[in-house]
Amino acid sequence: EAGVAQSPRYKIIEKRQSVAFWCNPISGHATLYWYQQILGQGPKLLIQFQNNGVVDDSQLPKDRFSAERLKGVDSTLKIQPAKLEDSAVYLCASSRGPARGSTNEKLFFGSGTQLSVL
Amino acid sequence: TQLLEQSPQFLSIQEGENLTVYCNSSSVFSSLQWYRQEPGEGPVLLVTVVTGGEVKKLKRLTFQFGDARKDSSLHITAAQPGDTGLYLCAGGDTGGFKTIFGAGTRLFVKA
Repeated sequence: EAGVAQSPRYKIIEKRQSVAFWCNPISGHATLYWYQQILGQGPKLLIQFQNNGVVDDSQLPKDRFSAERLKGVDSTLKIQPAKLEDSAVYLCASSRGPARGSTNEKLFFGSGTQLSVL
Repeated sequence: TQLLEQSPQFLSIQEGENLTVYCNSSSVFSSLQWYRQEPGEGPVLLVTVVTGGEVKKLKRLTFQFGDARKDSSLHITAAQPGDTGLYLCAGGDTGGFKTIFGAGTRLFVKA
């Protein structure tokens, strides 16, 4: 099966500019995640969708970050305006469905978008 | 807030050596997962452990979940250059709906 597709792979912008990332999850996967991975750190969950509804966005800086998942399929993550500290890899992941019981879902990740804010 | 601490942060070894990396928390997790991430790629799931005390083997990799479900370890026997990468542990929050990651152990195996 095709994996999680993300674009662009790389993006360089100046601070205060806007940027958008796109993600197409694995077909049939109900849950979609956006993670931010700063160099030297593990991925940090920004937002989690189940179908086209938001399950968790507690760590999304809502004053500058926004995300949507139209029709419960692909998703876009936008930053406006960007700050220097937003430089990171933005990873999209998907899973088949909501976690059931005590076992976490297997996450399938895309290759990420590396953002550099100058 | 549930946190996962991984150690060591960085490990450089010769091919053929054995190693163990650790994932610890003060919180109980419903399950723990180990992922490996190679440069320029997203993490790939290696294993999920659910039961306290559980041991799982994947070829030369052995994963253990602590009895109290607060910690886990990954042991690699006879490391190979292909094992090079960032090893991340990830835990399910108490509801099992959100996956949080540790900072990872960066492993480099020299030929």
